[in-house]
Amino acid sequence: DTGVSQDPRHKITKRGQNVTFRCDPISEHNRLYWYRQTLGQGPEFLTYFQNEAQLEKSRLLSDRFSAERPKGSFSTLEIQRTEQGDSAMYLCASSLTGQGPDTQYFGPGTRLTVL
Amino acid sequence: DAKTTQPPSMDCAEGRAANLPCNHSTISGNEYVYWYRQIHSQGPQYIIHGLKNNETNEMASLIITEDRKSSTLILPHATLRDTAVYYCIVRFSTDSWGKLQFGAGTQVVVTP
Repeated sequence: DTGVSQDPRHKITKRGQNVTFRCDPISEHNRLYWYRQTLGQGPEFLTYFQNEAQLEKSRLLSDRFSAERPKGSFSTLEIQRTEQGDSAMYLCASSLTGQGPDTQYFGPGTRLTVL
Repeated sequence: DAKTTQPPSMDCAEGRAANLPCNHSTISGNEYVYWYRQIHSQGPQYIIHGLKNNETNEMASLIITEDRKSSTLILPHATLRDTAVYYCIVRFSTDSWGKLQFGAGTQVVVTP
C-alpha cells in the first residue's frame, strides 16, 4: 500500500508529557497537511507544508505544538506538556500541486488520549 | 469564503441510489466543490470534485446546478460499506488552495 501512513496509530499519555507523531506522505507529494478531529466534529486544519516550507498555521496550533518537515518528505507533529483537551484524532494528508486545487489524501490518523 | 449546508443525517436502502444534497449559495466562480467521506475511526476518503460541470468516477457522480449554488452527490448503488459521514467542502482559491474546511457533514446510514 503506497498511501499516507501515520505512526503510532494510538497513543495514551499522561497530562504534562510530550508526544510526537510521524506522517509519511504518498511518494513525491510535495504538500503535507495536519488536521485535528475531536469526537463528533469534522477535521480542523492545523498546518501545512509545501516541500520543507511551513506555509500556514492555524490559530489552533498553540505554542505547545510544533510541526516539522525537515527534508520535504516525512513530517512530525510534537505536542509539549499535553493537556486533556489535546485528546483527539490527529490526521495527516498529502497532495501534489499542479494547475487548480490539489486533492488531499488522508492517512488513518493517530488517536491521542491524554489522561 | 463559501460555506456549505448539509442535512445532518440520511438513511438509504442497500442497493438503491443515495442522493446527498449540499447547499453552497455563496460560492464564487473559481471555487470548487469537493466531497469526502469518513468511515468510523478512519481518515477521510476523497470521493470526487467539480467546478461547474457534472462529474462521474468509479465511486460516485457529482451534479452541480447551473447557478452553482447547490450540488448533489449520487452513490448509484449504495452498499452497507457506504455507511459514513459525507462532507461537502467548497475549496477557495486564496492561499494557493491550501486547507480543507470541513463542516459537520451528513451521517449516511445504509440499511439492508
